[in-house]
Amino acid sequence: ETGVTQSPTHLIKTRGQQVTLRCSSQSGHNTVSWYQQALGQGPQFIFQYYREEENGRGNFPPRFSGLQFPNYSSELNVNALELDDSALYLCASSSLQPDIYEQYFGPGTRLTVT
Amino acid sequence: QKEVEQNSGPLSVPEGAIASLNCTYSDRGSQSFFWYRQYSGKSPELIMFIYSNGDKEDGRFTAQLNKASQYVSLLIRDSQPSDSATYLCAVPSNDYKLSFGAGTTVTVRA
Repeated sequence: ETGVTQSPTHLIKTRGQQVTLRCSSQSGHNTVSWYQQALGQGPQFIFQYYREEENGRGNFPPRFSGLQFPNYSSELNVNALELDDSALYLCASSSLQPDIYEQYFGPGTRLTVT
Repeated sequence: QKEVEQNSGPLSVPEGAIASLNCTYSDRGSQSFFWYRQYSGKSPELIMFIYSNGDKEDGRFTAQLNKASQYVSLLIRDSQPSDSATYLCAVPSNDYKLSFGAGTTVTVRA
């Protein structure tokens, strides 16, 4: 167990709807990264939040947005859901010390878009 | 060219054998390298990281790094059925992301 929690575990939405996924980082970690993992693929970086600001973004459209709160927890929002958004969404927490890239994943949220 | 490439699987090894997993990366500036294990239906679990050229051992796992060849590998010695999983290689890039390979699925047969 990494101490990173995510909710909900599973979610089914209809195309065009909006969804919010939540993540609580591991104690002592102030950075949260979000990834999308399609079946049979490695995780793809969506964005990272540090000190409540977006610290980097992958190749995802603006309908993917996020927030980080003062307690370092984070949300991922996806608007206008498309069928291709069906995936496992992973949150990973880390800290500048020892290494911002030493990232620990939560259990993930499985999103199905019908 | 993909940022991170792993040898295609699946890889099937007998119990007690050595499983060898390979990964190449494109960014010569990368300084740290990570191996994650992902069981079916679960999230990735960090099992090894390496920063310096050479070998790093942790129990039955050995990570090997060759920055000149842009190559990192993972050896699993005395493979056990519980090692059956997908192994993901991850390499940082300048924009704070981890780039992952597609993974190599390992099956340890009893």
